[in-house]
Amino acid sequence: KNQVEQSPQSLIILEGKNCTLQCNYTVSPFSNLRWYKQDTGRGPVSLTIMTFSENTKSNGRYTATLDADTKQSSLHITASQLSDSASYICVVSAGYGGATNKLIFGTGTLLAVQP
Amino acid sequence: NAGVMQNPRHLVRRRGQEARLRCSPMKGHSHVYWYRQLPEEGLKFMVYLQKENIIDESGMPKERFSAEFPKEGPSILRIQQVVRGDSAAYFCASSPALDSLIEKLFFGSGTQLSVL
Repeated sequence: KNQVEQSPQSLIILEGKNCTLQCNYTVSPFSNLRWYKQDTGRGPVSLTIMTFSENTKSNGRYTATLDADTKQSSLHITASQLSDSASYICVVSAGYGGATNKLIFGTGTLLAVQP
Repeated sequence: NAGVMQNPRHLVRRRGQEARLRCSPMKGHSHVYWYRQLPEEGLKFMVYLQKENIIDESGMPKERFSAEFPKEGPSILRIQQVVRGDSAAYFCASSPALDSLIEKLFFGSGTQLSVL
């Protein structure tokens, strides 16, 4: 069964600190892995998209890693800001050609950045 | 260039009524997707449409739910005879025509449906 699991479920950190969110998946065949940021009451916004051949991808203070052998990904946030408070969702695309209708969503990690 | 627009943001219906959720994709986007998000659950795919065509509706319940994306106007997700279990956030996403292996999705802000 295709599944995406994220940890921790929730996380509280102080402003300025770094943090790392984890994602494990059992999705086959694997096409790509995406990280989204979802603010409360808003739709998800794409942070990174990585294919099988990519190990790391950065977007500003966000750096995602992918280990396709162990089927794990992480999202590292550097020098956190209050505006980073949101749910971070790991999404894995199954099937060839990046078929979007085969996206498997994790339940997200709820991050709270405190002053 | 406005983003994906969904309305209404909040919709309250009584059991047995109909709910109509609208989604206007980003300008130039011809692919629309609908997802449902229950509390503390991940987004679940419902239906994938292109202009005037339903491409994949494998995630949509066979009864009471329907979707359309007409040649003109927004995409509509219609839920007939709503029940309390339909209460959820419904998100629409759009993308341009497939031109790469990785289709970029842009999400709307969602419609929160509450069934009393």
